[in-house]
Amino acid sequence: EAGVAQSPRYKIIEKRQSVAFWCNPISGHATLYWYQQILGQGPKLLIQFQNNGVVDDSQLPKDRFSAERLKGVDSTLKIQPAKLEDSAVYLCASSRGGEGSNIQYFGAGTRLSVL
Amino acid sequence: QKEVEQNSGPLSVPEGAIASLNCTYSDRGSQSFFWYRQYSGKSPELIMFIYSNGDKEDGRFTAQLNKASQYVSLLIRDSQPSDSATYLCVVGDNFNKFYFGSGTKLNVKP
Repeated sequence: EAGVAQSPRYKIIEKRQSVAFWCNPISGHATLYWYQQILGQGPKLLIQFQNNGVVDDSQLPKDRFSAERLKGVDSTLKIQPAKLEDSAVYLCASSRGGEGSNIQYFGAGTRLSVL
Repeated sequence: QKEVEQNSGPLSVPEGAIASLNCTYSDRGSQSFFWYRQYSGKSPELIMFIYSNGDKEDGRFTAQLNKASQYVSLLIRDSQPSDSATYLCVVGDNFNKFYFGSGTKLNVKP
């Protein structure tokens, strides 16, 4: 089966510009996650969707970050305006969802550099 | 706040030795436990998962879980230079939420 698809792989922007990332999860996976990973650290959850509903966005900087998953399949994450500290890898992951234990699979990530 | 603790390393082992990576977690209600390998500049790749107390073996990898002590470990036998990477300990709850350690960097020296 196809894995989690993300695009673009790399993005370089200047501060105060906007940027958007796209993610298509594994087919049939109801739960989708966006993580931010700063160099040398573990991934930090930004937002978790269950189908097209938000389960957890407590660590999403809502003044500049937004995310949507309108049809419960693919998702976009937007940053507007970007700051220097947003330079990181943005990882999308998906899991089957539902009750019980699930395995989370990651996409290749988008490396963002804010200059 | 549910926490997952790992020694950041680096852990250096000679080629052919056993590498032992350790992780503790704070939430006694945790249900699932994962080890991901992450090469520099790459995304995390699932190595092992374990749900029950005891050992689970897959090739050169063994995951060990002790829920009473809230401790999970990963043993890598016959370590190879290609095993050099950062290993992330991830703990899942029953609501499809996952909590990450900061990772242990492993260096396997030829």
